[in-house]
Amino acid sequence: AQSVTQPDIHITVSEGASLELRCNYSYGATPYLFWYVQSPGQGLQLLLKYFSGDTLVQGIKGFEAEFKRSQSSFNLRKPSVHWSDAAEYFCAVRDITEAGNMLTFGGGTRLMVKP
Amino acid sequence: KAGVTQTPRYLIKTRGQQVTLSCSPISGHRSVSWYQQTPGQGLQFLFEYFSETQRNKGNFPGRFSGRQFSNSRSEMNVSTLELGDSALYLCASSFLTGKNEQFFGPGTRLTVL
Repeated sequence: AQSVTQPDIHITVSEGASLELRCNYSYGATPYLFWYVQSPGQGLQLLLKYFSGDTLVQGIKGFEAEFKRSQSSFNLRKPSVHWSDAAEYFCAVRDITEAGNMLTFGGGTRLMVKP
Repeated sequence: KAGVTQTPRYLIKTRGQQVTLSCSPISGHRSVSWYQQTPGQGLQFLFEYFSETQRNKGNFPGRFSGRQFSNSRSEMNVSTLELGDSALYLCASSFLTGKNEQFFGPGTRLTVL
């Protein structure tokens, strides 16, 4: 069964510092990959997605992610964090061989931003 | 274009009761998926409906059921509520499958006392 691991449960960075959130997946083939963000009491907002092609993907709010097949990773990055980025971030995968939309999520990383 | 809407936003029930949650997808979207989010188990897939047919089902007991109507609106039902059913229930809609992204609603916060 496919699984998604986000090794860091909590991360604290200073405003203006760079950010990298880690995501590793276990799956027999390259799945579709996603990063979502969730603010307190809210639903999930899609930051970016990877289906195929260029392994560096640009998303909204200045985020980017790099797919590394050899490491089964899809890490999220941002060069300069803003206080409004404080939220919980989820990595998710979807099986490309299945017809459905089922997503398997990682456990999430809660980001705190210091002023 | 209006986003995914879920009603009600908050719900308090007692053990043994049943509950029905509603999800209205984005106009034109035909796929609706449901997820349960809890602090202990994280985000877990419940089921997906596409054109009124259940396409996939997660590993949840039969107390959890759902359906989709011809206008793509979906409902999920939980019978014989247990304390552990307290969670945020999220609905997501998508136009089709494959290379389509899902859009999530704000969720329904269910508390079981």
